[in-house]
Amino acid sequence: DAKTTQPPSMDCAEGRAANLPCNHSTISGNEYVYWYRQIHSQGPQYIIHGLKNNETNEMASLIITEDRKSSTLILPHATLRDTAVYYCIVSFPGGYQKVTFGTGTKLQVIP
Amino acid sequence: GAVVSQHPSWVICKSGTSVKIECRSLDFQATTMFWYRQFPKQSLMLMATSNEGSKATYEQGVEKDKFLINHASLTLSTLTVTSAHPEDSSFYICSARSFGGANFYEQYFGPGTRLTVT
Repeated sequence: DAKTTQPPSMDCAEGRAANLPCNHSTISGNEYVYWYRQIHSQGPQYIIHGLKNNETNEMASLIITEDRKSSTLILPHATLRDTAVYYCIVSFPGGYQKVTFGTGTKLQVIP
Repeated sequence: GAVVSQHPSWVICKSGTSVKIECRSLDFQATTMFWYRQFPKQSLMLMATSNEGSKATYEQGVEKDKFLINHASLTLSTLTVTSAHPEDSSFYICSARSFGGANFYEQYFGPGTRLTVT
């Protein structure tokens, strides 16, 4: 699997947009970008995924650069409940693939 | 839908004893379940993959005789930590892949079990 690089931590003011970057320069053509988050002492939660087009759902937006070497997860209006560790994962889309977590970004939403 | 539960949510045991952790898929059948371990301020590390009715596949460095995994049904997998020691104290998380789930993200995580060995 391609590796990802994320900043270890970020702060965001409550109500503002949180933009979490991820570098995946060795991503292959058929690999997707997936985002999960883990709130303290809970299991991970799937957020969103994409291949090359920007994606949006009720939780977040995902912006993937044209060369697909990086992406940004956007939480449009961060709340205190969004404080968590966010993991960017690159993988082939098949259900047989293992979910392998990197170090992630600890997002602290500040009141 | 797609809820995975774990029991217990936390457990304290004495060194040398064994502890069993249950992972259940509540509203779907799971042919494959995964077990992860997470130490404080670290990421989740995959320990093993279990398929219903067959032996678990362990990741490199994980002692199969210490971490016994049983996946006896499509809704239940158990992890038994045998002869637990303080260094086994960790947060154990299971996940389950829905039966027929063809997509990577169709793997649902439990809430985790905090194990403390004294």
